Amino acid sequence: IQMTQSPSSLSASVGDRVTITCRASQNIGNYLNWYQQIPGKAPKPLIYAASSLQSGVPSRFRGGGSGTDFTLTISSLQPEDFTTYYCQQSYRTLLWTFGQGTKVEIK
Amino acid sequence: EVQLVESGGGLVQPGGSLRLSCAVSGFTLSSYWMSWVRQAPGKGLEWVVNINQDGSEKYYVDSVKGRFTISRDNAQNSLYLQMNSLRVEDTAVYFCARVEKTTKYGAYGDYYDYYFMDVWGKGTTVTVSS
Repeated sequence: IQMTQSPSSLSASVGDRVTITCRASQNIGNYLNWYQQIPGKAPKPLIYAASSLQSGVPSRFRGGGSGTDFTLTISSLQPEDFTTYYCQQSYRTLLWTFGQGTKVEIK
Repeated sequence: EVQLVESGGGLVQPGGSLRLSCAVSGFTLSSYWMSWVRQAPGKGLEWVVNINQDGSEKYYVDSVKGRFTISRDNAQNSLYLQMNSLRVEDTAVYFCARVEKTTKYGAYGDYYDYYFMDVWGKGTTVTVSS
């Protein structure tokens, strides 16, 4: 299963609302997770099962979608949100794939 | 505190071998699936392999099948990745991660298990170069 994120990068300002899209090459139901990675650090889970917020993650992060098309929306960008985000499918038999990543940069 | 600490990375020549270890603490290893994920320099994340709680089920990305072997020792609170026939393209930071399972119930008594990697180590660097 191939995962394609768009855009690969985006520029935004503090307080902006941004949406990242992830498309699967086949129907994966809602077996879709989102991670945030700060450079030089391990990834951090944000959203699992397409729309469930991981414990401790701020409510400005929201996941949506099902089937082949998914979104990660950050409602009001904070300074610490300018980093890279990955989607990951967890459909069926634990053969997983990540999207290529989306870098959110300061405008 | 839940913690994963990888070790064993280093510089190896193409065709060589390395064994990575992941020492876990703060939780019962035998209760969780575990994963290895890697990240080549300047590139994105690549899932490598999953192993179930007792080591009887293993799933590998195609690019490492036949060369890498995952194993675990629950009594020693450790996860391993034996990497043989290493290639230049295996150069990466290797992360171990705990797999969390969440069950959601449908309206008709059906249920669905969702998996995601909820705790990660800081990674160990593997460089394959002559």
